Amino acid sequence: GENVEQHPSTLSVQEGDSAVIKCTYSDSASNYFPWYKQELGKRPQLIIDIRSNVGEKKDQRIAVTLNKTAKHFSLHITETQPEDSAVYFCAASMRNTPLVFGKGTRLSVIA
Amino acid sequence: NAGVTQTPKFRVLKTGQSMTLLCAQDMNHEYMYWYRQDPGMGLRLIHYSVGEGTTAKGEVPDGYNVSRLKKQNFLLGLESAAPSQTSVYFCASSQPGGNTEAFFGQGTRLTVV
Repeated sequence: GENVEQHPSTLSVQEGDSAVIKCTYSDSASNYFPWYKQELGKRPQLIIDIRSNVGEKKDQRIAVTLNKTAKHFSLHITETQPEDSAVYFCAASMRNTPLVFGKGTRLSVIA
Repeated sequence: NAGVTQTPKFRVLKTGQSMTLLCAQDMNHEYMYWYRQDPGMGLRLIHYSVGEGTTAKGEVPDGYNVSRLKKQNFLLGLESAAPSQTSVYFCASSQPGGNTEAFFGQGTRLTVV
């Protein structure tokens, strides 16, 4: 089955700097790659996703890139703000299969 | 529109007791899932369902059972709780096909003593 590795497990950045979280997946048939943000004590919520027919997608300060050949994808957050502090999860899936999640990255934005 | 709702939000069980967690969704989603979240382990799939009357095992199914008698409800049962089942449990649902956005419930924090 699919296996998703996520790095780093913790990340601290100064407010205004950029943050990058990387994930790799094992099954080349996976074609959907979402990113979820989970604030303390809350449920995970989708912040951005990308499909295998697209190499990059951007939404304001957040962007995701996908390299299908290397089987890795990354989340980029620019101009970080304190409210970006949370745990971020990457995931991967293929048609008719559930999402497989990475183990998460705890991002701390220091004011 | 409530989305995905889990009951209860918190529970403390003694070892060997049983309980059922209820998940209800009002988005008419075909697919429903139960995940558990443990520190440093991410979200691990326990069981899932691709439609009313169907269930399938996920990554960590041992010690749990599920039922999907109605499309909007997905029940997770613990027949004989163990301390290793202390966790936060999340239910989620999605459109058919699986590779679409999953909407999560607010979570159930379960402690087994």
